[in-house]
Amino acid sequence: DIVLTQSPALAVSLGQRATISCRASESVRSSMHWYQQKSGQQPKLLIYGASNLASGVPARFSGSGSGTDFTFTIDPVEADDIATYYCQQSRNDPLTFGSGTKLEIK
Amino acid sequence: EVKLQQSGDELVRPGASVKMSCKASGYTFTDYAMHWVKQSPGQGLEWIGTIIPLIDTTSYNQKFKGKATLTADKSSNTAYMELSRLTSEDSAVYYCAMGQPNWFAYWGQGTLVTVSS
Repeated sequence: DIVLTQSPALAVSLGQRATISCRASESVRSSMHWYQQKSGQQPKLLIYGASNLASGVPARFSGSGSGTDFTFTIDPVEADDIATYYCQQSRNDPLTFGSGTKLEIK
Repeated sequence: EVKLQQSGDELVRPGASVKMSCKASGYTFTDYAMHWVKQSPGQGLEWIGTIIPLIDTTSYNQKFKGKATLTADKSSNTAYMELSRLTSEDSAVYYCAMGQPNWFAYWGQGTLVTVSS
């Protein structure tokens, strides 16, 4: 199985940039996707195919990377962005998720 | 508007089975795969498997083979997941999600399964 590694938590000040990384145990090419999950809610797709913004998602959110190293960015961070962010690969079965990065406001 | 409406929360006894549903609306049900994802309490997300309703083909995460069975009813635009021989390890929120094809564009609200005697 492809293992996706994310740092567990990140604290950022409002209006600043938040950068979340996701490293894959083997190449997933550009088959990386990002989700936001707020407390008590279902996940929401933000980025697909490493860098494509999902429909209706603000341009403050962006993604980049290919192969094994990926980055998800929120710039600028707003209070409503408090959530856990997950990466997910679709290169190989089984589809796998990172363990999530909890975004906190300083 | 795409909507995935999942069935209500379940309290089930150890050793029993549970079958939950996911009713799709706002899109052509047979055009997209339906995935199922498990989220254990305070934990991350695990992919269980997927069904392609058009051809009734399923694919499972090896970890959930024998535990989960995925079906779909094209006449009612509803996907189902049955979990068998439940233990406390199966207590979790289970989500259905529309695949596009292998990322999850839309999610249901989740069904909480609690396994307890």
